Amino acid sequence: KAGVTQTPRYLIKTRGQQVTLSCSPISGHRSVSWYQQTPGQGLQFLFEYFSETQRNKGNFPGRFSGRQFSNSRSEMNVSTLELGDSALYLCASSSPGSDYEQYFGPGTRLTVT
Amino acid sequence: KNEVEQSPQNLTAQEGEFITINCSYSVGISALHWLQQHPGGGIVSLFMLSSGKKKHGRLIATINIQEKHSSLHITASHPRDSAVYICAVSRGGGADGLTFGKGTHLIIQP
Repeated sequence: KAGVTQTPRYLIKTRGQQVTLSCSPISGHRSVSWYQQTPGQGLQFLFEYFSETQRNKGNFPGRFSGRQFSNSRSEMNVSTLELGDSALYLCASSSPGSDYEQYFGPGTRLTVT
Repeated sequence: KNEVEQSPQNLTAQEGEFITINCSYSVGISALHWLQQHPGGGIVSLFMLSSGKKKHGRLIATINIQEKHSSLHITASHPRDSAVYICAVSRGGGADGLTFGKGTHLIIQP
């Protein structure tokens, strides 16, 4: 089975722009979670989607949003980028019946200049 | 105070040494995860446990629910074990997001 894939792997954007990141979960996995990793704050939970519905959300401003499609692929969007949004963005998928075990993608490294 | 605390933050050891990384948490959990992150960013799930002990090769993870404490042990450490080890907890009530510790940066010298 193919693992979790994320595109793009690297991205450079300018402050004020918006960005969309994509995550394709492992086949059969219906839950996708998104995380932000920075040197200062470490890993933090952004949000989680299951069957196209956001089930849980972390403590991030409304500039961070996401969605999930019927094939379980997920996107996250950050609008009005700030320098502090520079981070590694990771997604993870979970299988039905084993929702707590998460399989991580390689991440998208976003640099905001 | 962070809900998930790890110690030590940094650990340098010689090849072959027995390694212990500790994790304490202050919230109710449904599962505790040990994750490994190599330079470059990719995260691999090593263990998910809610009680007792699990073993995989040279890695052993234990959890004490009453004391809210878990340990990750590496026996016969090797330079390829050099990585950041992260403790994370699931709080239950469905597939909610993980809460992470700050990680332990482990270096195994040949």
